[in-house]
Amino acid sequence: AQKITQTQPGMFVQEKEAVTLDCTYDTSDPSYGLFWYKQPSSGEMIFLIYQGSYDQQNATEGRYSLNFQKARKSANLVISASQLGDSAMYFCAMRELLSGTYKYIFGTGTRLKVLA
Amino acid sequence: DADVTQTPRNRITKTGKRIMLECSQTKGHDRMYWYRQDPGLGLQLIYYSFDVKDINKGEISDGYSVSRQAQAKFSLSLESAIPNQTALYFCATSDPTKSGGRNEQFFGPGTRLTVL
Repeated sequence: AQKITQTQPGMFVQEKEAVTLDCTYDTSDPSYGLFWYKQPSSGEMIFLIYQGSYDQQNATEGRYSLNFQKARKSANLVISASQLGDSAMYFCAMRELLSGTYKYIFGTGTRLKVLA
Repeated sequence: DADVTQTPRNRITKTGKRIMLECSQTKGHDRMYWYRQDPGLGLQLIYYSFDVKDINKGEISDGYSVSRQAQAKFSLSLESAIPNQTALYFCATSDPTKSGGRNEQFFGPGTRLTVL
């Protein structure tokens, strides 16, 4: 079974509108962490936002927020007021503790295109 | 200056050649990782190291070897490159003692490797 699932291979959004990128996860570790990374066409991986499994509030970082629904095991990224520079691949990732070692698992990504 | 650097940034080589990808970091992190990224597959872990004397295989280590020369340096070698090792390779670092519990990974800019 996939531990991180991103079901949207590609998304379009109009400039200045909000967009939600979906991510579901599966783990038995009670103290996991969830991350979103942005990968522009230049290739680097840019950390955007983090949500800890015990965090009571949804994480926010500027225009990025994480809609964390623990019971549903979902950690969707919300980008508000989209900009052309937001066009990129977005990866959801999870950190979990397995056999005493932290493991990081990445989803397959969602390609976002912001339209002018 | 970038905290995590990779050399070379791009490399074209031929089948059967030995090639080394190098990663250096100035973050002072103990943990370092090598990933490869193929289109549609997200990031897959090749090897990881928690300190100079600790090297561990990831999920796709066959055909690769690594060397942790110092805390700041972690090299990935392809002993005899083959075309299906054509991919984007990332080095990453982390340190759970320095990230306020997030333990996020910091990525280098990537090395684009083509094996002909």
